[in-house]
Amino acid sequence: KQEVTQIPAALSVPEGENLVLNCSFTDSAIYNLQWFRQDPGKGLTSLLLIQSSQREQTSGRLNASLDKSSGRSTLYIAASQPGDSATYLCAASFYTGTASKLTFGTGTRLQVML
Amino acid sequence: GAVVSQHPSWVICKSGTSVKIECRSLDFQATTMFWYRQFPKQSLMLMATSNEGSKATYEQGVEKDKFLINHASLTLSTLTVTSAHPEDSSFYICSANPLRATEAFFGQGTRLTVV
Repeated sequence: KQEVTQIPAALSVPEGENLVLNCSFTDSAIYNLQWFRQDPGKGLTSLLLIQSSQREQTSGRLNASLDKSSGRSTLYIAASQPGDSATYLCAASFYTGTASKLTFGTGTRLQVML
Repeated sequence: GAVVSQHPSWVICKSGTSVKIECRSLDFQATTMFWYRQFPKQSLMLMATSNEGSKATYEQGVEKDKFLINHASLTLSTLTVTSAHPEDSSFYICSANPLRATEAFFGQGTRLTVV
């Protein structure tokens, strides 16, 4: 059974700092890996999707990497801002042929301080 | 990207009543949809796989008679929480993929509070 773990569980940094969130998964036979953001009491916002054949994806200040062999993914946030404060979830995806079934990590709660 | 709409966004119901949550794919067809549940300060856990035209597949520990899933069309799946109790209070969210697309798109989620 796939297990996805994220460390740290919580992180507090001053504004402007670069930071890395870690995600590890037990089964390397994933189809892709997605990173999401969730604000308190809200739904999910998709940030980045990395296909299993890719090693990284970038969007603005965000960069996500994927190393299937080691079962790890990282989300790098450059020049953090208070608006980045949220919970970040990674999810390993297994494609069933018609849809992607996701196993979510435990989440990292990020607070960026002024 | 594709749009998945979930309704209602929040609902409060009395203990013992049933609540229906709808998940619609607005601009694509989806033969499979997934339902997840998230308790406070926890991650999302898959509850069941909703299959168009056939029975849903439930994850271990999820009561199929309590959480009724109906996927009657290629754009609509419904989750009915029957005889709801306070412990069913949670955030429920669905996801779907356009055909041949591997990215999952999520609804906005439904916050259920049972009083």
